[in-house]
Amino acid sequence: GQQVMQIPQYQHVQEGEDFTTYCNSSTTLSNIQWYKQRPGGHPVFLIQLVKSGEVKKQKRLTFQFGEAKKNSSLHITATQTTDVGTYFCAGPEGADGLTFGKGTHLIIQP
Amino acid sequence: KAGVTQTPRYLIKTRGQQVTLSCSPISGHRSVSWYQQTPGQGLQFLFEYFSETQRNKGNFPGRFSGRQFSNSRSEMNVSTLELGDSALYLCASSPRQGSYGYTFGSGTRLTVV
Repeated sequence: GQQVMQIPQYQHVQEGEDFTTYCNSSTTLSNIQWYKQRPGGHPVFLIQLVKSGEVKKQKRLTFQFGEAKKNSSLHITATQTTDVGTYFCAGPEGADGLTFGKGTHLIIQP
Repeated sequence: KAGVTQTPRYLIKTRGQQVTLSCSPISGHRSVSWYQQTPGQGLQFLFEYFSETQRNKGNFPGRFSGRQFSNSRSEMNVSTLELGDSALYLCASSPRQGSYGYTFGSGTRLTVV
């Protein structure tokens, strides 16, 4: 079945530094979604990308979908303590719901 | 509007017992999906219900089952509980079938002892 890989698994940054997480799928995706889960919380939908090469921004967050629609990235500029959490990418696997990556845990040191 | 409501929030069960978890989706959302989250395996798809019918099922044993009612509320049941079933069970709703940006509930934390 489809696999969605995310790197890195953990990322420690100083507050104010930038952060990037990468997502790669073993198959071409019709769309890719990003979620954030705060410690002790539940995943919260951030965005969905559909078009090849698409780039979307949400304040300090920039999301990209690769030209081949098999990879994606999330970049956060000037991290803040409120950015702490685990960031997941997810892609639809045919009729089998969403396949989630294992996530990147963002740890911010003040 | 109210979010996705899952009950109970926490549950402790003994091996061999069965458990039923409940999920009320956002009003107007007709699709409900269930996921199991564990530290080792991450988020894994269990099943999706739409219009009271199971549309998709993940790779879980038959001990895991679910259903959806006419008001879109959903329940999932796990029979003959095993220690490995300890996990956070998350319900997610969306307006229609398929994956279009889920709204997750807070989850039910199940501990099997």
